Amino acid sequence: AQKITQTQPGMFVQEKEAVTLDCTYDTSDQSYGLFWYKQPSSGEMIFLIYQGSYDEQNATEGRYSLNFQKARKSANLVISASQLGDSAMYFCAMREVDNYGQNFVFGPGTRLSVLP
Amino acid sequence: DAGVTQSPTHLIKTRGQQVTLRCSPKSGHDTVSWYQQALGQGPQFIFQYYEEEERQRGNFPDRFSGHQFPNYSSELNVNALLLGDSALYLCASSLGRWGFQFFGPGTRLTVL
Repeated sequence: AQKITQTQPGMFVQEKEAVTLDCTYDTSDQSYGLFWYKQPSSGEMIFLIYQGSYDEQNATEGRYSLNFQKARKSANLVISASQLGDSAMYFCAMREVDNYGQNFVFGPGTRLSVLP
Repeated sequence: DAGVTQSPTHLIKTRGQQVTLRCSPKSGHDTVSWYQQALGQGPQFIFQYYEEEERQRGNFPDRFSGHQFPNYSSELNVNALLLGDSALYLCASSLGRWGFQFFGPGTRLTVL
């Protein structure tokens, strides 16, 4: 069963406008972490923002904020004041942890295109 | 402070061959994880190495194996390559098995 769902394969946004990228997740764990990564065409995964399941406030990092709705199991990324350099693939990921270590489960991604 | 480095950047192999990919973790990190990212998909976890042992493994066949060296660097080996092994292979390092993961730039493998 897919644990991370990103329903928007592609999104367009006008430069300087805000955009929301959707992410829903499925887990029975009480403690988990949610991440958003940006992947430009070069391939490197660039960390954007993190939200812990027990964090009471939504995470913010500069122009990035995470709209965390725990009961709905959603963790949407909001990018304010979009820039041309924001054009890239965006991945939502959930960290799975057990006694042996951790791994990340990634969603299928959303391709964001910022229009001038 | 060097980040995670991977080599080679690109690689072309033919079906049935074997390939070795290399990863040097970020300075101070001792744990390495490997991910496979097929075209148009999100990365999938292959395995994690800590203290030179495989600690966790994703749903990948035994053709995928790895190694971690005393200096914490790691290799990913894939035997009997299939066309479906064509992908971007990402390495991530962390301090400890549960530390924050930093990703490398990846190695793009093409199997013909």
